[in-house]
Amino acid sequence: GAVVSQHPSWVICKSGTSVKIECRSLDFQATTMFWYRQFPKQSLMLMATSNEGSKATYEQGVEKDKFLINHASLTLSTLTVTSAHPEDSSFYICSAGPGIHYEQYFGPGTRLTVT
Amino acid sequence: GQNIDQPTEMTATEGAIVQINCTYQTSGFNGLFWYQQHAGEAPTFLSYNVLDGLEEKGRFSSFLSRSKGYSYLLLKELQMKDSASYLCAVTVGGYIPTFGRGTSLIVHP
Repeated sequence: GAVVSQHPSWVICKSGTSVKIECRSLDFQATTMFWYRQFPKQSLMLMATSNEGSKATYEQGVEKDKFLINHASLTLSTLTVTSAHPEDSSFYICSAGPGIHYEQYFGPGTRLTVT
Repeated sequence: GQNIDQPTEMTATEGAIVQINCTYQTSGFNGLFWYQQHAGEAPTFLSYNVLDGLEEKGRFSSFLSRSKGYSYLLLKELQMKDSASYLCAVTVGGYIPTFGRGTSLIVHP
């Protein structure tokens, strides 16, 4: 199957700082990537849809100025958590698929801890 | 909106069979995914059902009834490594899945 990578796999940052998470499709091009957040023992919540070459589409309740998404190429999308707070501590997962395809492949996730 | 319901937790014995149910109430329906997620890891794809009926894939099978808004994931010959969270997800009108809360399956010897 297709491979999606994320970097870093885990990160600890201080409150008020910004953190960038990368999502890469390694063996296919993805015009669209998705960013999810998952709190412990909770379901995956879609945060935003990242579109190559255009603005991301954010789900209701997700602050676009806090969670900056850039999809500059067909294989890379980045999520920047700005002015991080402890409540932003979560597991962030991206997914992508080769074109408009029913199956989305998930990256391995990034564990963010804000102290 | 979408409402997806599945049991929070189930336990089963190694070697046994377990059925994880998922019911959904959605405005429209495209298909239903099942994903497996081990603790601290990303979900991995198990199955995707669009039409009614049972689809078998090795030890795992998935069933869908569109008229009843119901699906189940059947796991046979359970192994300890099957202990994980199983996520039911529905797509409506597109290909972005909406996830249920997941069922935590604990397999014991």
